[in-house]
Amino acid sequence: AQSVTQPDIHITVSEGASLELRCNYSYGATPYLFWYVQSPGQGLQLLLKYFSGDTLVQGIKGFEAEFKRSQSSFNLRKPSVHWSDAAEYFCAVVGAARQLTFGSGTQLTVLP
Amino acid sequence: EAQVTQNPRYLITVTGKKLTVTCSQNMNHEYMSWYRQDPGLGLRQIYYSMNVEVTDKGDVPEGYKVSRKEKRNFPLILESPSPNQTSLYFCASSARPSGSTDTQYFGPGTRLTVL
Repeated sequence: AQSVTQPDIHITVSEGASLELRCNYSYGATPYLFWYVQSPGQGLQLLLKYFSGDTLVQGIKGFEAEFKRSQSSFNLRKPSVHWSDAAEYFCAVVGAARQLTFGSGTQLTVLP
Repeated sequence: EAQVTQNPRYLITVTGKKLTVTCSQNMNHEYMSWYRQDPGLGLRQIYYSMNVEVTDKGDVPEGYKVSRKEKRNFPLILESPSPNQTSLYFCASSARPSGSTDTQYFGPGTRLTVL
């Protein structure tokens, strides 16, 4: 069965620092991969997605993610974090079952 | 503006008192679903609907019911709520099923507490 793991429950970075949120999936072939962000009191919003082509994907709000098949990873990155990026981030995968499965989320805190 | 709306946003109730959480989308999406979000577990799908009068169970359907009589609406019904259904609930919609490349559009969430 497909699964997705976000190893970091909580990450704290200073404003202006770079950010990398980790996501690992288990699925034999190339899955569909998504990153969603949940701001406080809000629903989830899609940041970016990957399903084929260039393995480096650009998203909204200055985020990008890189699909690495050899590592079964789809890590989310941002070169310079803004205070407004404080939120919870969810990685999600669609595998063989054609079912969307979410990771447990990573809470991002941004220090001034 | 394209959106998914849910009501109520917050609800405190008691065990066994039937309740309904409404969900409506204005994007003419065929696919709608309900999720619950619990700490450390991410989002888990409760029920989904491929179109009007077509619904099916997700990963955690026990204790929930849904209906899809109109394309835009997909209410979630808890006929006899229990404390283990205390959670944050999200409705979502998309043009195609969630197991596609389509973006899911989420409502703002309903925080339910069952005492």
